[in-house]
Amino acid sequence: GIQVEQSPPDLILQEGANSTLRCNFSDSVNNLQWFHQNPWGQLINLFYIPSGTKQNGRLSATTVATERYSLLYISSSQTTDSGVYFCAGYNAGNMLTFGGGTRLMVKP
Amino acid sequence: DTGVSQDPRHKITKRGQNVTFRCDPISEHNRLYWYRQTLGQGPEFLTYFQNEAQLEKSRLLSDRFSAERPKGSFSTLEIQRTEQGDSAMYLCASSRLAGQETQYFGPGTRLLVL
Repeated sequence: GIQVEQSPPDLILQEGANSTLRCNFSDSVNNLQWFHQNPWGQLINLFYIPSGTKQNGRLSATTVATERYSLLYISSSQTTDSGVYFCAGYNAGNMLTFGGGTRLMVKP
Repeated sequence: DTGVSQDPRHKITKRGQNVTFRCDPISEHNRLYWYRQTLGQGPEFLTYFQNEAQLEKSRLLSDRFSAERPKGSFSTLEIQRTEQGDSAMYLCASSRLAGQETQYFGPGTRLLVL
């Protein structure tokens, strides 16, 4: 199976700051998703993005499939953005392999 | 579209007891997945169903674990003779059979084995 590495593991921001989270894959992927896990443990879908760029409000994501990485951009961060961000993907079968997550804390 | 639901949300049990969790996927989603997440880690795949057929099982799924999806709708995950190491969040997800295969996750069942 593939290996997924996320960086940075921890990130502390002041409200209003921008940030970039990175996800590296050991092999090409057919499915790539970004999630936000809230304090209650719910995994919230942010993007399905095996390639290309997508934007949703203050969040955007870019996947460069040929170089096996994806980036999640958060602009004008808010305290409600705090939590853990996961990327996950697969190339064979349908089982998502998750990275270790980036723990984000946004301070007011 | 009511989302993926899981029941119970929390379960506390004593070591050696059996527990069963239920997952109701998004209607018309053919695929259903179970994952397990321990503290500080990302979720790990356990097993998945396409309709009622269990197509893949992880090595994490020991003989004490069994999953069913008898009519291709809801699924159950049973853990027999629970151990303290089974304490974790058990997550269920569902997706369509074809097209954009986004997996949507339920709120999870948090298990604590004393």
